[in-house]
Amino acid sequence: DTAVSQTPKYLVTQMGNDKSIKCEQNLGHDTMYWYKQDSKKFLKIMFSYNNKELIINETVPNRFSPKSPDKAHLNLHINSLELGDSAVYFCASSQQHAGNTIYFGEGSWLTVV
Amino acid sequence: KNEVEQSPQNLTAQEGEFITINCSYSVGISALHWLQQHPGGGIVSLFMLSSGKKKHGRLIATINIQEKHSSLHITASHPRDSAVYICAVRYSGGGADGLTFGKGTHLIIQP
Repeated sequence: DTAVSQTPKYLVTQMGNDKSIKCEQNLGHDTMYWYKQDSKKFLKIMFSYNNKELIINETVPNRFSPKSPDKAHLNLHINSLELGDSAVYFCASSQQHAGNTIYFGEGSWLTVV
Repeated sequence: KNEVEQSPQNLTAQEGEFITINCSYSVGISALHWLQQHPGGGIVSLFMLSSGKKKHGRLIATINIQEKHSSLHITASHPRDSAVYICAVRYSGGGADGLTFGKGTHLIIQP
């Protein structure tokens, strides 16, 4: 009965490959996010998306693209993977208003070799 | 530059001690979150604050909007409190409309 679920939890892949990480939330939230946690455990926003707009952190390479088939899903596609993409990627969701709790998925550990 | 500063970076304490973790930020915010990340990696939201004080069990979070500062307190600390505690803010001005995170405080409670 997980509120925010992501798959896969672990992914090891070669440089140059294209991969996707899926995220689903069953909380009825209207806003979903992708965050990246680097090797130093520092979290940074990558994207936020609701049914009105996609907001992209300008530092995110355009090899990364979010795709939302519906309000409950926000998948992360990564093209031409690079070694530096190795990180933990967290999906999260909340209601749009700033004053609402944010719920995180369990993280997806991506290793690029 | 919008930054979130946490202190201390690392904290080791004995079971039962009162713990305080501090967070300061640089510009106006609409909300501040305290998050807990366990060694397994999962992130849990502990508190969301826009003013005042909140309490949940042994955890207390306070925020002073004028001073741009928040504290997370743990009373009667226990080894299971060992985790990384992360302060995160949602800035009023936009950007990627997500959270901006501090670097975390790694807390170890020894029995």
